[in-house]
Amino acid sequence: GESVGLHLPTLSVQEGDNSIINCAYSNSASDYFIWYKQESGKGPQFIIDIRSNMDKRQGQRVTVLLNKTVKHLSLQIAATQPGDSAVYFCAETDSSWGKLQFGAGTQVVVTP
Amino acid sequence: SAVISQKPSRDICQRGTSLTIQCQVDSQVTMMFWYRQQPGQSLTLIATANQGSEATYESGFVIDKFPISRPNLTFSTLTVSNMSPEDSSIYLCSGGPQGTHGYTFGSGTRLTVV
Repeated sequence: GESVGLHLPTLSVQEGDNSIINCAYSNSASDYFIWYKQESGKGPQFIIDIRSNMDKRQGQRVTVLLNKTVKHLSLQIAATQPGDSAVYFCAETDSSWGKLQFGAGTQVVVTP
Repeated sequence: SAVISQKPSRDICQRGTSLTIQCQVDSQVTMMFWYRQQPGQSLTLIATANQGSEATYESGFVIDKFPISRPNLTFSTLTVSNMSPEDSSIYLCSGGPQGTHGYTFGSGTRLTVV
């Protein structure tokens, strides 16, 4: 299930199950949306991005869905593995500037 | 994608002093940025480091407190000046070619001010 901790909401997932991480974005002018994974003590690592003229994009074990009507972004991870335990951030950008604005983040904990 | 080396990885500093953080990219990149991240929280953009000109700061961040240099397309520094305990945080640089959006990040500098 999902719960709100002191700082980041946490998603607990059993190994082998699918994970769904949600993100609400704020700027209707944003034209790229990106998901990052951050492991403890490391910088964020790019996972996948999607342009605003798309509603779905698939990568290796990951799928990003974009719903512009409600300004919602989700990341689906198939067959979650222990190595998927990390904090996941969505980010948005208006490509004319290139700078990223990050969302709040979700802590994913994979249990055996 | 580019690889970014950031140093120092951590430091403990006395209040009132300054610390300079360096980021070296293994290839030329158009865009470089500096972020701050409180433990357990999201990333806040400090500024865009512009090659050969003054950095562009976000609201709440000023050049006197966070001077940034970017002498070429592979290197940038961020200085945290006149530090106070409130500056204790993780500082991260990122960069990549313009238009790619999937920017690479350094591993971060964990700063503690005592």
